[in-house]
Amino acid sequence: DAKTTQPTSMDCAEGRAANLPCNHSTISGNEYVYWYRQIHSQGPQYIIHGLKNNETNEMASLIITEDRKSSTLILPHATLRDTAVYYCIVREGYNFNKFYFGSGTKLNVKP
Amino acid sequence: NAGVTQTPKFRILKIGQSMTLQCAQDMNHNYMYWYRQDPGMGLKLIYYSVGAGITDKGEVPNGYNVSRSTTEDFPLRLELAAPSQTSVYFCASTHSSAGMNTEAFFGQGTRLTVV
Repeated sequence: DAKTTQPTSMDCAEGRAANLPCNHSTISGNEYVYWYRQIHSQGPQYIIHGLKNNETNEMASLIITEDRKSSTLILPHATLRDTAVYYCIVREGYNFNKFYFGSGTKLNVKP
Repeated sequence: NAGVTQTPKFRILKIGQSMTLQCAQDMNHNYMYWYRQDPGMGLKLIYYSVGAGITDKGEVPNGYNVSRSTTEDFPLRLELAAPSQTSVYFCASTHSSAGMNTEAFFGQGTRLTVV
């Protein structure tokens, strides 16, 4: 699986959009980009994933660049409950494979 | 659905003791995983299983054993507990249909302290 690079931490004002970047310059054609978050010490929670098209669900939007070497997770209206560590993972879409977690980005949402 | 259930939630072990961390899922997922997370760090893969009777090592398997006799259960065994195994342990499961993978679901973790 390709490795990812994320900033260690970011701040965001409550009610504003939080934009979390991720670099995955060695991603291969059949690898998806997944985002998970971990609130406090709970188990990681799935947010969204995509291959090359932008994706949106009730939690967030995922923007993947045309060359697929980077992506951005967008939380449109961050709340205090969105304070968490956010992990960007690339994973092959087909055949068995594992999730490898990096260090993630600690998002601090401030009032 | 209960999802992924881990027991116990907390445990303190003495050096050299053994224990089994239990993990069960009720989603009929074929793939299951064990991760550990040390303070301030990301998750490290210990062992994984692609189905009943099939297991394999992850990044940090030393000091652990697993078995997968049923689709639902994936216990993690510590034979001789060491202080380096103090960590939070997460079990996860995911499904593959026609080779296409889905997102993973995680349990709430087992916090283990070895003293």
